[in-house]
Amino acid sequence: GAVVSQHPSWVICKSGTSVKIECRSLDFQATTMFWYRQFPKQSLMLMATSNEGSKATYEQGVEKDKFLINHASLTLSTLTVTSAHPEDSSFYICSARVRLGTDLSYEQYFGPGTRLTVT
Amino acid sequence: GEDVEQSLFLSVREGDSSVINCTYTDSSSTYLYWYKQEPGAGLQLLTYIFSNMDMKQDQRLTVLLNKKDKHLSLRIADTQTGDSAIYFCAEKGYGGATNKLIFGTGTLLAVQP
Repeated sequence: GAVVSQHPSWVICKSGTSVKIECRSLDFQATTMFWYRQFPKQSLMLMATSNEGSKATYEQGVEKDKFLINHASLTLSTLTVTSAHPEDSSFYICSARVRLGTDLSYEQYFGPGTRLTVT
Repeated sequence: GEDVEQSLFLSVREGDSSVINCTYTDSSSTYLYWYKQEPGAGLQLLTYIFSNMDMKQDQRLTVLLNKKDKHLSLRIADTQTGDSAIYFCAEKGYGGATNKLIFGTGTLLAVQP
């Protein structure tokens, strides 16, 4: 099946610094990737939808200048948390969408997640 | 807006059946999904059902859909300790490529040996 990887899997950074998280589709091309945020014991919250070669679409309440998303190729999207603060500490999960030739037109495959801790 | 609700916690004994329930509000949902999340990991798609189906069975998993009541359930037969995880239902509305998944609140399944 389709594999999505994320790097790093875990990062600790100091308050005020920026952190970049990579999301890669390993064996397929993904025109659309999604970035989610998950707080402990809570559901996934969609942050933004990223289409290759165009600007990301952010969900209401998500600061686009704080969470920079770049989708420069069909296999790579990056999320940069700028000037991180402790409240940005969370589990960030990306997913990549692929077109299937079955009754399910599109399927989303999820990465393993990146745990960010800001001290 | 769309809202997807699940019970927070379910505890079962190994070998019993587990039934995880989900309710949603968007009547235009076309696909409904069940995902499994193990601790510290991403989401794994378990199964899905198209909105014009009532039931789908895949090995130990049975999905039931009551579209009238907007109620979705996942039954896991012969539950094993390895099934312990958080289970999320998700719905996707009509509209093809641009529609996003709306996730439920998640149900923590604890399987007692």
